[in-house]
Amino acid sequence: AQSVTQLDSHVSVSEGTPVLLRCNYSSSYSPSLFWYVQHPNKGLQLLLKYTSAATLVKGINGFEAEFKKSETSFHLTKPSAHMSDAAEYFCVVSGIYGRGSTLGRLYFGRGTQLTVWP
Amino acid sequence: DAGVTQSPTHLIKTRGQQVTLRCSPKSGHDTVSWYQQALGQGPQFIFQYYEEEERQRGNFPDRFSGHQFPNYSSELNVNALLLGDSALYLCASSIDRGQNYGYTFGSGTRLTVV
Repeated sequence: AQSVTQLDSHVSVSEGTPVLLRCNYSSSYSPSLFWYVQHPNKGLQLLLKYTSAATLVKGINGFEAEFKKSETSFHLTKPSAHMSDAAEYFCVVSGIYGRGSTLGRLYFGRGTQLTVWP
Repeated sequence: DAGVTQSPTHLIKTRGQQVTLRCSPKSGHDTVSWYQQALGQGPQFIFQYYEEEERQRGNFPDRFSGHQFPNYSSELNVNALLLGDSALYLCASSIDRGQNYGYTFGSGTRLTVV
């Protein structure tokens, strides 16, 4: 079965300092992993995705994430936070193809609320 | 290029009533999935439609049903509404069932059951 655990429900940083949002995953197969961002009263926007290519994935708005199979982690980072980064962030693993296929089904973590202080 | 469009954006219903939510996928997308996001939670998968058929279903009761039309648009129907059905309902579309390209999400329909 696929699942993700976001290790922090809230993260607060000062503008201009690094951001680290932590995510561990569980998957019975090579996973596809995503990070989505949700601004208040908005839908979900894809930040980046990992689909078994390069382990360091670059996304939009300066975010990147590193897939570490040995640690089953997919942490999201950004070198310098901006006020506009304040939002809810979701780590997501995709279902897999095969017996009892859950292909295309997304499993979301509970979310990490990022606050950016001026 | 229009993304995923959902309607209505907000609605209020009374317990026991029925509701229909609508979704138009992004141009070129053929797969539509529906998610329920309760307050303070991550979205939960309801079901997925591809080629006008329900292909997968999450742990939701039969009160939740859906449909996909030939133009790939979709509806989510909820019967006998409960207070616990109050949530943001998100529609997501993709091609190839999201295997390689991920999903594009709409802004959601906020349903309040009173």
